[in-house]
Amino acid sequence: SAVISQKPSRDICQRGTSLTIQCQVDSQVTMMFWYRQQPGQSLTLIATANQGSEATYESGFVIDKFPISRPNLTFSTLTVSNMSPEDSSIYLCSVGGGGTQYFGAGTRLSVL
Amino acid sequence: DQQVKQNSPSLSVQEGRISILNCDYTNSMFDYFLWYKKYPAEGPTFLISISSIKDKNEDGRFTVFLNKSAKHLSLHIVPSQPGDSAVYFCAASLGAGTASKLTFGTGTRLQVTL
Repeated sequence: SAVISQKPSRDICQRGTSLTIQCQVDSQVTMMFWYRQQPGQSLTLIATANQGSEATYESGFVIDKFPISRPNLTFSTLTVSNMSPEDSSIYLCSVGGGGTQYFGAGTRLSVL
Repeated sequence: DQQVKQNSPSLSVQEGRISILNCDYTNSMFDYFLWYKKYPAEGPTFLISISSIKDKNEDGRFTVFLNKSAKHLSLHIVPSQPGDSAVYFCAASLGAGTASKLTFGTGTRLQVTL
């Protein structure tokens, strides 16, 4: 299994600002995934990030709102841009391996 | 459209008894199913999975059953322990590869009481 570290673990932000979430993995992985869990909802995939190429976004998510970087095989960032209270969620990164996915502890974001 | 559904938001079971968590899906193309457990302030932890070519997979106290005709899967925990108290998510994917997108249910909160 992979060990995934996410920073920050939580943050409170003002509307209109942006927050960048970091995800570090203890081994090299080809694909990393970013999920969102809104209050009382299931986990929803935002995008898949491959190293060396642009991220692939799911329906309802756009690059201008959630830009992603993937500079190497162990690291990725997700930025939540121009935040509104509706962006208050838990954001999680995950990596695939052995037919499953392993998740970081998540970033709990509250937007005021 | 919620393709994976967990209709019971919560479940309370006595220690030592069986916990049965249920999950239904609508997309007949899903062929790989997983269960995750999530404690507060932690990320989901993989528990057990099953491929659509099987109808049962067992790992210690955890057994997952798959009924493809009913598009239904269940997770059995026997015997239940207080440490099993958590939120359980089922997830489904097209294929078991590391690149497979997971579609999650909304979760069931299990409370195991003494």
